[in-house]
Amino acid sequence: DGGITQSPKYLFRKEGQNVTLSCEQNLNHDAMYWYRQDPGQGLRLIYYSQIVNDFQKGDIAEGYSVSREKKESFPLTVTSAQKNPTAFYLCASSSGPSNQPQHFGDGTRLSIL
Amino acid sequence: DAKTTQPNSMESNEEEPVHLPCNHSTISGTDYIHWYRQLPSQGPEYVIHGLTSNVNNRMASLAIAEDRKSSTLILHRATLRDAAVYYCTFGDNYGQNFVFGPGTRLSVLP
Repeated sequence: DGGITQSPKYLFRKEGQNVTLSCEQNLNHDAMYWYRQDPGQGLRLIYYSQIVNDFQKGDIAEGYSVSREKKESFPLTVTSAQKNPTAFYLCASSSGPSNQPQHFGDGTRLSIL
Repeated sequence: DAKTTQPNSMESNEEEPVHLPCNHSTISGTDYIHWYRQLPSQGPEYVIHGLTSNVNNRMASLAIAEDRKSSTLILHRATLRDAAVYYCTFGDNYGQNFVFGPGTRLSVLP
């Protein structure tokens, strides 16, 4: 069954640690996105990638890093420089820009110990 | 600055139509308008999208203003399962950077 898989569903980070969130898609989509969602808020774009080996910063990229070495994978690293990482992280993919819908994963909830 | 504006919350009775409005005055001529909905602790689900003409699918209808600065999502007969937060969005930066606002929380009363 085609879709987007995010793992883990829940993740805990200690102060000063980097953590990596996984996002895999088998929809053969070119474009992939990472969003952050805080309680009661909308989605804010962290990074997006339109093609393998290329990615662009979104509105809130500071303290985050990504890679896009394979079409199906777009991992997000939350670095120790991100001072307020507790949030719900959502990954999405689409077959192209504006004229195609985005397909979302079920999210990863990151908390600080 | 690119953004969307939606009511914070709306309420509907079950089996009645619901019209969810959205303003997107900074949209460019080639950006599609998308609508998604989200249940608690889940990822958003695609509902519908369009460019200029009104659109219909099995879930909803999308009415787009002639000047494209606003749109309305229409749920023809609301069910309890339609209770969710509804987001309208469009692609900014040549369609590469989607802008999501805080959305509209729809409550459906039995």
